[in-house]
Amino acid sequence: DTAVSQTPKYLVTQMGNDKSIKCEQNLGHDTMYWYKQDSKKFLKIMFSYNNKELIINETVPNRFSPKSPDKAHLNLHINSLELGDSAVYFCASSLAGQLRDSGGYTFGSGTRLTVV
Amino acid sequence: GEDVEQSLFLSVREGDSSVINCTYTDSSSTYLYWYKQEPGAGLQLLTYIFSNMDMKQDQRLTVLLNKKDKHLSLRIADTQTGDSAIYFCAEASYNAGNMLTFGGGTRLMVKP
Repeated sequence: DTAVSQTPKYLVTQMGNDKSIKCEQNLGHDTMYWYKQDSKKFLKIMFSYNNKELIINETVPNRFSPKSPDKAHLNLHINSLELGDSAVYFCASSLAGQLRDSGGYTFGSGTRLTVV
Repeated sequence: GEDVEQSLFLSVREGDSSVINCTYTDSSSTYLYWYKQEPGAGLQLLTYIFSNMDMKQDQRLTVLLNKKDKHLSLRIADTQTGDSAIYFCAEASYNAGNMLTFGGGTRLMVKP
């Protein structure tokens, strides 16, 4: 009954490969997010998506693309992986417009991506 | 753009109070949050405060907000070894479409 679940938890892959990370939430939230946490623990927003609008952080390379088959899922697809993509990627969800009641975001437990 | 800053590290003795500080720049901030991250885990929401409040207390946690100075603090009373973690402050603002912008995190170490 995990609220926001990500798979896989760990992903080790070679440079140049294409990979996907999956995220699912069962909270009935309408907005989902991807954050990247680097080795210094700094968290940076990558994407925000609801069924109306995709907001992209302009610093994110276009090798990264979010894909949402439905409201409960937001997957992250990465093309041509590079060494600098190694990080922990967190998925999160919220109820747009109700930050006060929802108390912010609910985060998944993260996917540690290592590119070798 | 929006900027949220925190000191990197704090060390306290068990039983003492911990105060973690955060500053932000976006004057349109609506809500401010404190999250806790334990090693190898995701972010857990600890508490949050609306920008028209100046204080919120929740058991051992006290949040103080000085909106004029754009300064937020988290006080943990009677700090325990289980409180050792990284603490992130975050702000949501109208300017950023209510997306959360995080500080760099403060690593709290509690010594027995």
